[in-house]
Amino acid sequence: NAGVTQTPKFRILKIGQSMTLQCTQDMNHNYMYWYRQDPGMGLKLIYYSVGAGITDKGEVPNGYNVSRSTTEDFPLRLELAAPSQTSVYFCASSYLEGAGGYTFGSGTRLTVV
Amino acid sequence: QQQVKQSPQSLIVQKGGISIINCAYENTAFDYFPWYQQFPGKGPALLIAIRPDVSEKKEGRFTISFNKSAKQFSLHIMDSQPGDSATYFCAPVYNQGGKLIFGQGTELSVKP
Repeated sequence: NAGVTQTPKFRILKIGQSMTLQCTQDMNHNYMYWYRQDPGMGLKLIYYSVGAGITDKGEVPNGYNVSRSTTEDFPLRLELAAPSQTSVYFCASSYLEGAGGYTFGSGTRLTVV
Repeated sequence: QQQVKQSPQSLIVQKGGISIINCAYENTAFDYFPWYQQFPGKGPALLIAIRPDVSEKKEGRFTISFNKSAKQFSLHIMDSQPGDSATYFCAPVYNQGGKLIFGQGTELSVKP
């Protein structure tokens, strides 16, 4: 049981480049989330999805896009990377709205130079 | 607007002591109150959680106390151990979409 898998683990991007952070879960969870964590800070919600084909913005969506074509996958797209997007990105999933505990991936450390 | 305020930012406790971390929230749309534990280089992991119709929940050495009228809840770690050294986050959950809203985190260090 792999849980939530994120790739890549590390990435360095140049300003203006684009990339996709991958997230896959094998627990058949409907709810999936993307968070970013800046040093010494709590996690901020970027986007979330309550099921395949349904996505919505979180607290800090600017500069990002998501899609949810399957239950398992929830990729996060960065267009025109900026230094302000340097952060650690976590994907999470949950089987039950609210009451179920989240399962987090191990994170992607992104640096934009 | 900071919806969730967590304190203290850092905490140093001797082995065997009690660690107490507090969380205050503003939004009444939260309906589930978890604490997450994060070790360096790892994602957060659910530690313990409470529903708003309960005032206290205990799981082993970990206890949540919940005060609905004051909009506060706290984490108590009894008999703290060096292995408890980690960052702890309160992260109340919205009743729609299941979104977690994280506090700023408390870095706990338990000295042997």
